[in-house]
Amino acid sequence: AQRVTQPEKLLSVFKGAPVELKCNYSYSGSPELFWYVQYSRQRLQLLLRHISRESIKGFTADLNKGETSFHLKKPFAQEEDSAMYYCALGSPYGNKLVFGAGTILRVKS
Amino acid sequence: EADIYQTPRYLVIGTGKKITLECSQTMGHDKMYWYQQDPGMELHLIHYSYGVNSTEKGDLSSESTVSRIRTEHFPLTLESARPSHTSQYLCASSALTPGEHSYNEQFFGPGTRLTVL
Repeated sequence: AQRVTQPEKLLSVFKGAPVELKCNYSYSGSPELFWYVQYSRQRLQLLLRHISRESIKGFTADLNKGETSFHLKKPFAQEEDSAMYYCALGSPYGNKLVFGAGTILRVKS
Repeated sequence: EADIYQTPRYLVIGTGKKITLECSQTMGHDKMYWYQQDPGMELHLIHYSYGVNSTEKGDLSSESTVSRIRTEHFPLTLESARPSHTSQYLCASSALTPGEHSYNEQFFGPGTRLTVL
């Protein structure tokens, strides 16, 4: 069964500190992983996807198939990064996404 | 402009009322989804559709029903609202076949915040 685990409900860091939001998944096939972000009073939006290997707003995420992880990282947190972050897993058939429980990131000044 | 629209954005209603939450998209997508976002902010898939006349139940059991008569429209109906239905409801869509975007990549509407008194 497909499953996504985000072990931290809340992550609080100071501005300028490194950030790592953890995501582990369970899937036997070739997964497609995403990070979605929801800023306060805004809609849920795609932040990045593993297949494009891009950096968005300074965030990167590397798919580690050996550890079944897709952690989201940023070297220097900014206050505007404060938001809810969801890790999501899709199958090659694209029927639906499985979302993790989400992690609230709070960046303190 | 390609977008996903949800109306109303906020709804406060009494117990027992019938309500319909509207979702429409101009993304040109075939697949559409309804999620319930609870106070802890977890997302739960409650319904999805691959296209016209296709509807499936999601992972979370819901008393709501959906219909898909037109590709761009995917309304959700509660026949008799109860306080336990109080939640945020998110509509999303994705492409049926990969192109500019992966068919796993979902685009979300702004949500409807429902409060049942």
